[in-house]
Amino acid sequence: DADVTQTPRNRITKTGKRIMLECSQTKGHDRMYWYRQDPGLGLRLIYYSFDVKDINKGEISDGYSVSRQAQAKFSLSLESAIPNQTALYFCATSDLTGKRGTDTQYFGPGTRLTVL
Amino acid sequence: AQKVTQAQTEISVVEKEDVTLDCVYETRDTTYYLFWYKQPPSGELVFLIRRNSFDEQNEISGRYSWDFQKSTSSFNFTITASQVVDSAVYFCALSGVNTGFQKLVFGTGTRLLVSP
Repeated sequence: DADVTQTPRNRITKTGKRIMLECSQTKGHDRMYWYRQDPGLGLRLIYYSFDVKDINKGEISDGYSVSRQAQAKFSLSLESAIPNQTALYFCATSDLTGKRGTDTQYFGPGTRLTVL
Repeated sequence: AQKVTQAQTEISVVEKEDVTLDCVYETRDTTYYLFWYKQPPSGELVFLIRRNSFDEQNEISGRYSWDFQKSTSSFNFTITASQVVDSAVYFCALSGVNTGFQKLVFGTGTRLLVSP
């Protein structure tokens, strides 16, 4: 079984609809992240969470919200989806390792979201 | 500010050729980490390597090798004797102490096409 799972894997929705993307992990990591990938732009950080009570905005948080329901679960919501939120969304997890405390992030398989 | 530049948008090679993917980074941090990820056509992101700024020793893993040069702020990735399965988009990424090790800054990726 995959360590980081995302549901749904593909979703088509309409402008104005609320949608939730879910991420679960069995790696036991404390830190979780949401990114979006757009063609030619690489990945950009939306939100990240160090633990259940610690949630932080990333580079492009406008239009998104998140919920950390448990150590293993981190959901991303689009309250009112718009077409320019069409993208590939990735969840990632990491754990503080090493003397200098860096994280290696491990990614889920991605969710392809289309907003019509 | 941190920045990662992957100037090669797309590279096409024939199987068994060697190929080098370039990555140039900018950071004011003295402690930072560099990463390479692979995104095959199936879409998932696969972690390949992490290198810290204190360790300039080059690394080899099978047909993969990485050349870290602080003097030129580069972290290039070479695939020796390329294979069709190497076809993917490859991302270079950076995290640093001052912006938080958890914040990965990605380049825009290089698409590698290996033809038989």
